[in-house]
Order: sequence, then C-alpha cells, then structure tokens
Amino acid sequence: RKEVEQDPGPFNVPEGATVAFNCTYSNSASQSFFWYRQDCRKEPKLLMSVYSSGNEDGRFTAQLNRASQYISLLIRDSKLSDSATYLCVVVMNTGFQKLVFGTGTRLLVSP
Amino acid sequence: EAGVTQFPSHSVIEKGQTVTLRCDPISGHDNLYWYRRVMGKEIKFLLHFVKESKQDESGMPNNRFLAERTGGTYSTLKVQPAELEDSGVYFCASSLTGGAGETQYFGPGTRLLVL
Repeated sequence: RKEVEQDPGPFNVPEGATVAFNCTYSNSASQSFFWYRQDCRKEPKLLMSVYSSGNEDGRFTAQLNRASQYISLLIRDSKLSDSATYLCVVVMNTGFQKLVFGTGTRLLVSP
Repeated sequence: EAGVTQFPSHSVIEKGQTVTLRCDPISGHDNLYWYRRVMGKEIKFLLHFVKESKQDESGMPNNRFLAERTGGTYSTLKVQPAELEDSGVYFCASSLTGGAGETQYFGPGTRLLVL
C-alpha cells in the first residue's frame, strides 16, 4: 500500500466550479501535511500547509482529519490558471523532514 | 533572491555512462534534499544533507548513486554506472532550518534519460 494515496484524475471542471480533492495517508505518526502544486514540467511549489483546525487561503481550503488519516483540498470559483497537478504531501514524525508525496491529482479547468 | 538552481536541465546518456547532477540551494539554507520522480510514479525522497553531513540517506536506491555536499554549499549527485531505470526527473530542494513544517523550496529539476 502506498504511504500517500490520491485519485490521479484528471478532474475536468468548468471555470467557476468548486472542486475537491482527497488524500489518505497510511502512517498515523505523520506530523505535517501540505498541498503542493506542480505545473506541467515544472517543480512542485507549496500551495498551503494543512492543519487539524482547517485553514483557508483565498479560494483554497484545506482540512485534516487525523482520526481518519484523511486530507482534503477544496478550490472554489476555479480559474483557468488553477489547472495543474495537486500533490498531497506528508512528513513523518521521525525528526527528519523528508517529504512523502502522493502521485498527484490532475485538474483541468476549461473555459 | 535566487531560488534553487539545478544543472543540467536535461541529460541524455547511454546505459553504463556516468552522469553528475548539480544543485545550488538558496543561499544560507543549511538543509538540502534530493528527490526523484520516475515515469508514472510519485516523487520520492533520496537523501537529506544538513550542511555537509548526510542526515538521512534512506531513499538512495543503491550504491550506484553518490551524493556529496563538500563545504556545505552546492551538492552533486553522481550516478555511475547509469541504468535504464534511473531515467526520471531529479529534484533538489532546500530549507533554512529543517524544522517541523518548514517549507522546502524546489529547483526546476534535471530530466535524465538513460538509453
């Protein structure tokens, strides 16, 4: 079983739609959680950290459920520029900060 | 401020040859990480330097891979001899303190193709 599981998509949505991505992780000792965004043939870039209390950054809302080992990302009012691959990333509680990536969920926003 | 840079951007070599990838982290970042994405798979951790010391090299696939960070500045990752399965994108990332939840900044990657 993969340490971080994501639906690869693609999710095809029209501009203005709301879309949600989910991710599950297998190791209950995980301590930090992130969503990264990766554009085609580019490097991953941090989109937002994810906290148990839930956090919001503009049109983006992230949520963590430690009991279910589940992370979500909600994008409201999708823009064409949101088209990218969204990577769910986890850091284990090992004292080392190695990132553990999911395979990513591809989002395509169309006009 | 310059971001993480990597060289070369692309490399095409034949099986059995040697390739050396270079990463220059953000100035002042003590922590440097190497990751790799092979076709169709997720990005995977290779190793982590704190300054010039290897903090965690649990992700290095085998002894054909050698990473160095002499002087604690830039790092090199050498693959010798290269095999077909080494093809992929090699990313370098850096962070300031390596603390919990700290952002890692990624370089643009080196695309390696082994023929």
